[in-house]
Amino acid sequence: EAGVTQFPSHSVIEKGQTVTLRCDPISGHDNLYWYRRVMGKEIKFLLHFVKESKQDESGMPNNRFLAERTGGTYSTLKVQPAELEDSGVYFCASSQGLAGVPQYFGPGTRLLVL
Amino acid sequence: AQSVTQPDIHITVSEGASLELRCNYSYGATPYLFWYVQSPGQGLQLLLKYFSGDTLVQGIKGFEAEFKRSQSSFNLRKPSVHWSDAAEYFCAMEGGSQGNLIFGKGTKLSVKP
Repeated sequence: EAGVTQFPSHSVIEKGQTVTLRCDPISGHDNLYWYRRVMGKEIKFLLHFVKESKQDESGMPNNRFLAERTGGTYSTLKVQPAELEDSGVYFCASSQGLAGVPQYFGPGTRLLVL
Repeated sequence: AQSVTQPDIHITVSEGASLELRCNYSYGATPYLFWYVQSPGQGLQLLLKYFSGDTLVQGIKGFEAEFKRSQSSFNLRKPSVHWSDAAEYFCAMEGGSQGNLIFGKGTKLSVKP
């Protein structure tokens, strides 16, 4: 069974540009989560989808971040326009069931905004 | 407020030595608890989880963790460390809202030959 995959693995962009990150969850997992780790800090929750609906987006830092999960399969996270403080590693995770745990994580996308 | 604390940022142990990584949590009830490991260049891998029941849980790669309610702790242990265990270890707790995880800052483990 394939695990959670993320694309790209790395992205280097300039401040003001747009970047779109993609996450493909484990097949059959209704729950999909986005997390972010800024350098030197802990991994922090961004948002949670159940199928195609946003269950909780309380962790999204501001309206420059837009997440979608069309059809309840893969998800995208767009940052527009990117700022320097958006640099970090963006993790996606997926899980089954109402409890939402345990979560299985992807390898992450390393984003560097210059 | 709900939180997870990993007091050790970096630990170095000799290969073959025992290991204990500390984790303390703050939560109003008994949380779901997890340990994840991130090897260099890799994603987060689930080592073990505690939901309820037996307070000593076994995980993959020879790791175990013990839940102690009285100490609000969930420390990770391994009796004999291998060089391949060098990685960053994260303790996490379910935050109460369908699985949103609250992480500690991580402990980086170095293994001396």
